[in-house]
Amino acid sequence: DAGVTQSPTHLIKTRGQHVTLRCSPISGHKSVSWYQQVLGQGPQFIFQYYEKEERGRGNFPDRFSARQFPNYSSELNVNALLLGDSALYLCASSLGTGFGYTFGSGTRLTVV
Amino acid sequence: AQRVTQPEKLLSVFKGAPVELKCNYSYSGSPELFWYVQYSRQRLQLLLRHISRESIKGFTADLNKGETSFHLKKPFAQEEDSAMYYCALSPGGATNKLIFGTGTLLAVQP
Repeated sequence: DAGVTQSPTHLIKTRGQHVTLRCSPISGHKSVSWYQQVLGQGPQFIFQYYEKEERGRGNFPDRFSARQFPNYSSELNVNALLLGDSALYLCASSLGTGFGYTFGSGTRLTVV
Repeated sequence: AQRVTQPEKLLSVFKGAPVELKCNYSYSGSPELFWYVQYSRQRLQLLLRHISRESIKGFTADLNKGETSFHLKKPFAQEEDSAMYYCALSPGGATNKLIFGTGTLLAVQP
């Protein structure tokens, strides 16, 4: 089992651009969550999806959106990038409520 | 408000010394508490869940609802324990999100 895989690993974008980050969960995991980790801080919850439905959304602007596909993989989209969006974006998958999450290695996004 | 507080950014101990990483939480219900660890150049990984009451790599954590704490302890630190440790809370319910603290960097000196 490859674990949770994320792509790309690193990305550099210009302010105002759009970015799409991708995540493949562990086989059998139907829950996928996205977190943003700014340097020196703990991960901050962005979205959770379960069985292709949004189950939760953190305190992020509407520029952030996500979706989950029938194979349970997920995309995080960020529009109109700001410098402050520079962070490590983590994807995590889980069997469901009550189970711990397994995290991917993350995508390092730099906005210049 | 749901919040996790880890008061120490850095904890430095000598090998063989006891370790206690502090975690306090703010939540009105019955949360699930976790400890996650991130070793150098590795991904964030689950260390402990309070509901399983297990000991992993010699670490234990007891949920104290009266003090709203979930401190991580190990009687004898090893150099390989050096890592970033995050305490996290899950409110449960339909949204299985995690609320993380800011993390404590544990440095075990030889």
